[in-house]
Amino acid sequence: DAKTTQPNSMESNEEEPVHLPCNHSTISGTDYIHWYRQLPSQGPEYVIHGLTSNVNNRMASLAIAEDRKSSTLILHRATLRDAAVYYCILRGAQKLVFGQGTRLTINP
Amino acid sequence: NAGVMQNPRHLVRRRGQEARLRCSPMKGHSHVYWYRQLPEEGLKFMVYLQKENIIDESGMPKERFSAEFPKEGPSILRIQQVVRGDSAAYFCASSPRVDRGQYEQYFGPGTRLTVT
Repeated sequence: DAKTTQPNSMESNEEEPVHLPCNHSTISGTDYIHWYRQLPSQGPEYVIHGLTSNVNNRMASLAIAEDRKSSTLILHRATLRDAAVYYCILRGAQKLVFGQGTRLTINP
Repeated sequence: NAGVMQNPRHLVRRRGQEARLRCSPMKGHSHVYWYRQLPEEGLKFMVYLQKENIIDESGMPKERFSAEFPKEGPSILRIQQVVRGDSAAYFCASSPRVDRGQYEQYFGPGTRLTVT
């Protein structure tokens, strides 16, 4: 499975945008870029995914670099409920391979 | 539409006992995945099942662990003769169909197994 690299932790303030980066230089042409998050003591939660084009949904936006070797998850207006570990995963097969993710802290 | 359901939410077993974890996928989903999260560690894939078939068990420990997803009823993850190192959160996820990454997985709340 292709590997992703994310910062261990990030911090932001409530009501400000948050940009969570992910590098995946060995991505293959058929790998989808998935983002999940895990709030404390809960199961992972799907956030967004994409292949080549930027994607938007009610939770977030996903910006994918033209060469697909990196992507950025954008939370447009962070709330305290967005504090979680965010996982960037390349998915070309059935299973999800989780890395260590980015622990996002939101300051009130 | 109910989400993925797991029970029990918390399970305490003594060393040597058996643990049975149950997962009911979302309605209409016929693909189930089990993941394990050891304390202070990331999630690790264990096994992927479709109805009555194990498709990928590459993450399952070779001994004491088994999984099934019968034609009727929930998927079961069974751990025989539990040891303290089995203490972890076990998460189940489901998806609606075979895919090559274009569909998301929906996770349950997990079963937290404690072995004393």
